[in-house]
Amino acid sequence: GQNIDQPTEMTATEGAIVQINCTYQTSGFNGLFWYQQHAGEAPTFLSYNVLDGLEEKGRFSSFLSRSKGYSYLLLKELQMKDSASYLCAVRGLAPLSGGYNKLIFGAGTRLAVHP
Amino acid sequence: NAGVTQTPKFRVLKTGQSMTLLCAQDMNHEYMYWYRQDPGMGLRLIHYSVGEGTTAKGEVPDGYNVSRLKKQNFLLGLESAAPSQTSVYFCASCLDPGTELHSGNTIYFGEGSWLTVV
Repeated sequence: GQNIDQPTEMTATEGAIVQINCTYQTSGFNGLFWYQQHAGEAPTFLSYNVLDGLEEKGRFSSFLSRSKGYSYLLLKELQMKDSASYLCAVRGLAPLSGGYNKLIFGAGTRLAVHP
Repeated sequence: NAGVTQTPKFRVLKTGQSMTLLCAQDMNHEYMYWYRQDPGMGLRLIHYSVGEGTTAKGEVPDGYNVSRLKKQNFLLGLESAAPSQTSVYFCASCLDPGTELHSGNTIYFGEGSWLTVV
């Protein structure tokens, strides 16, 4: 089976740092994605990890440990516009069905940034 | 640069009515997907397609049908709408030749279609 867990809600203060965790159990692994989704809008791509370690992209960083089935998204210097849902998604392997790039999403973490 | 376009954006249906959601992408992507998003449940895969003329079931396919007659279009049909199908529907597409692992090979989403079944 496949399961992706992340906290439902988090709050943080403008200018602070917040870490959103994601744990996963999947039948195959071919990369982990983080997406940002503002209310009423489509998800937009933030980051991608396929090897262990940290990927940094401006104020956002994402970490992956494949042996632990664990990832986190780190947001620094929080801004009010960072208030959104953050979706963790794992790309699974399905060689027989051809769904090689099938993304399975977690339920998302709703982040509220306060002044 | 349109990307992924969904129509209609909003629709209200009566129970038992049928309708089709259209998704079009202009990026020459092979893979296309239909997801539904409900509060507290994240995005769930309904059906997907790995190329023109192919379709496959996702996590929650019941009550839906799809067709991929042209590479750029992926249609999602509801033959007999039910209130449980009230949701936000997202179409998505990606390139994916199957083995390339790079950040550019990600999934691009349409802007969503809000469907209410009364």
